[in-house]
Amino acid sequence: EVQLVESGGGLVQPGGSLRLSCEVSGFIFSTYSMNWVRQAPGKGLEWVSGLSVTDDKTHYADSVKGRFTISRDNSKNTLYLQMNSLRAEDTAIYYCARARATVTTLFYWGQGTLVTVSS
Amino acid sequence: DIQMTQSPSSLSASVGDRVTITCRASQSISNYLNWYQQKPGKAPELLIFAASSLQSGVPSRFSGSGSGTDFTLTISSLQPEDLATYYCQQSYTTPLTFGGGTKVGIK
Repeated sequence: EVQLVESGGGLVQPGGSLRLSCEVSGFIFSTYSMNWVRQAPGKGLEWVSGLSVTDDKTHYADSVKGRFTISRDNSKNTLYLQMNSLRAEDTAIYYCARARATVTTLFYWGQGTLVTVSS
Repeated sequence: DIQMTQSPSSLSASVGDRVTITCRASQSISNYLNWYQQKPGKAPELLIFAASSLQSGVPSRFSGSGSGTDFTLTISSLQPEDLATYYCQQSYTTPLTFGGGTKVGIK
């Protein structure tokens, strides 16, 4: 059974940093592209970042480029999102999502972790 | 970036009704269009990929169609468990973009 479990969310002050983790099981992690998607309270879905397994390329939404970094540790079956210079508008539930060879279709999702940026 | 526009933003229908949700892309995306269902308080789930391919385990009352810029998600016979918000998403290029969502309620 495919499982994705996010962790690392919490309350952080504006300008602060946070690292989210997504531990996966039930599939060979190193062979799949992965993504982060967020959802602000009461709002729709916003794609944040993707990491392609085919060419190791990273992709980012303009809203987070230069502040967020996606990475993976295949030995730990874990995807990460390092978030720096956090802003109030980054407040959201952050979901990790598994794709296939390319990042573009989100076949499986985790349950999400809440990030709140507030003083 | 490719803009995705869904309509309507919300609807209410009776159990057994046929429900149709539309999604329009700001440029042609061939069949690179996915549909997700998000039930209240839950994570989204993939329903349909590549415009018309049903994800494993999804009931056959869900179907998708379209290509180019105009797409449709149809629920052939609405069930109580279909209460959810539905999102389209283009998978043509990054940044991946979603429609604003359609909230489906039961009368």
